[in-house]
Amino acid sequence: AQTVTQSQPEMSVQEAETVTLSCTYDTSESDYYLFWYKQPPSRQMILVIRQEAYKQQNATENRFSVNFQKAAKSFSLKISDSQLGDAAMYFCAYRSDQGAQKLVFGQGTRLTINP
Amino acid sequence: NAGVTQTPKFQVLKTGQSMTLQCAQDMNHEYMSWYRQDPGMGLRLIHYSVGAGITDQGEVPNGYNVSRSTTEDFPLRLLSAAPSQTSVYFCASSYWPPSSGANVLTFGAGSRLTVL
Repeated sequence: AQTVTQSQPEMSVQEAETVTLSCTYDTSESDYYLFWYKQPPSRQMILVIRQEAYKQQNATENRFSVNFQKAAKSFSLKISDSQLGDAAMYFCAYRSDQGAQKLVFGQGTRLTINP
Repeated sequence: NAGVTQTPKFQVLKTGQSMTLQCAQDMNHEYMSWYRQDPGMGLRLIHYSVGAGITDQGEVPNGYNVSRSTTEDFPLRLLSAAPSQTSVYFCASSYWPPSSGANVLTFGAGSRLTVL
């Protein structure tokens, strides 16, 4: 079974600085998808960014980018120019390319932005 | 466009009581699923469905029942609530089958359930 590990329960960063959230996963599959979700205090799960494992190029969405290292099974999220609205729980998630759309989530990282 | 609607948003039950968490989507998504979120454990899949009349178990199905009589609705039933079922529950949906593989789940706003 696949597992996802986020080793940083909490992170903090100064506003306008850059922060990187770590995620590692374990799988024997070659084709899969990786996601970062943001959960603000409202509880809503918001997709931040996604990465297809067959793509070598790292995904980027505005201030959010990933460092996808397939061989190392690592999928970190970099947030540039951090803003107060970025404060939230961040979850890394894995989804197999086969079968149903079952997401396997990490434990989450609580990100605090210091003004 | 309402997306995925969950009701109720909050519920308090006593041990042994039964209840149903409702989930409805208006995006004509064939795939629907239920997750529970517990502190320090992320979200875990309870049950899922790939279409009306088809359901299957996820990672933590014990104590929960589901059925899918329509494309729009996917209720989650607790027949005899236990304190261990205190959690936040999320319903999520998407198109099925995934055409490009990158179909993304749309989540509801969550339902917080407390079992005393």
